[in-house]
Amino acid sequence: SQELEQSPQSLIVQEGKNLTINCTSSKTLYGLYWYKQKYGEGLIFLMMLQKGGEEKSHEKITAKLDEKKQQSSLHITASQPSHAGIYLCGAANNDMRFGAGTRLTVKP
Amino acid sequence: DAGITQSPRYKITETGRQVTLMCHQTWSHSYMFWYRQDLGHGLRLIYYSAAADITDKGEVPDGYVVSRSKTENFPLTLESATRSQTSVYFCASAPPSGLNTEAFFGQGTRLTVV
Repeated sequence: SQELEQSPQSLIVQEGKNLTINCTSSKTLYGLYWYKQKYGEGLIFLMMLQKGGEEKSHEKITAKLDEKKQQSSLHITASQPSHAGIYLCGAANNDMRFGAGTRLTVKP
Repeated sequence: DAGITQSPRYKITETGRQVTLMCHQTWSHSYMFWYRQDLGHGLRLIYYSAAADITDKGEVPDGYVVSRSKTENFPLTLESATRSQTSVYFCASAPPSGLNTEAFFGQGTRLTVV
């Protein structure tokens, strides 16, 4: 089965700072989801990556799937308190498994 | 209303009781999934289904039963609830074309087993 490992587990940044979250897969990724969640609430779709080297942006959030398709990074530029939450990466396979999540806190 | 809905949103049950969590989607999506979310564990896959009458175990299936007699419904049953099954449960669905686009999540069911 495919395992996804996210790092860091938690992150505290000052408002306005940039940050990166990583997602590493134990197997080749044929597609990867990034979702955001406020704890205990539903998941908000951010983007999906499918091709090696693909990069997508959504407002100030950019995600990339590396060429070997086993790792993805999510980068937030000029973080804001509204970016706070849990970020989850998920493998777009028949059994859609997720990493453990990265909890982001943005201090005003 | 179009979408994916879970019911109930909140449930308190006693140890040993059977409880069923409902998931209903209106898009005729082929794929459906059940997850549990606990602090520090992210989303853990319990069961998934690629189509009606086809179900498969995920990472943490023990103590749970699913069925999918109709495409739009994917109920999750805890046959004999235990305190360790206290969690937030999420249902998701994905389109017939496969997982090439967004997967949609319900709002979650918060289950407490006392």
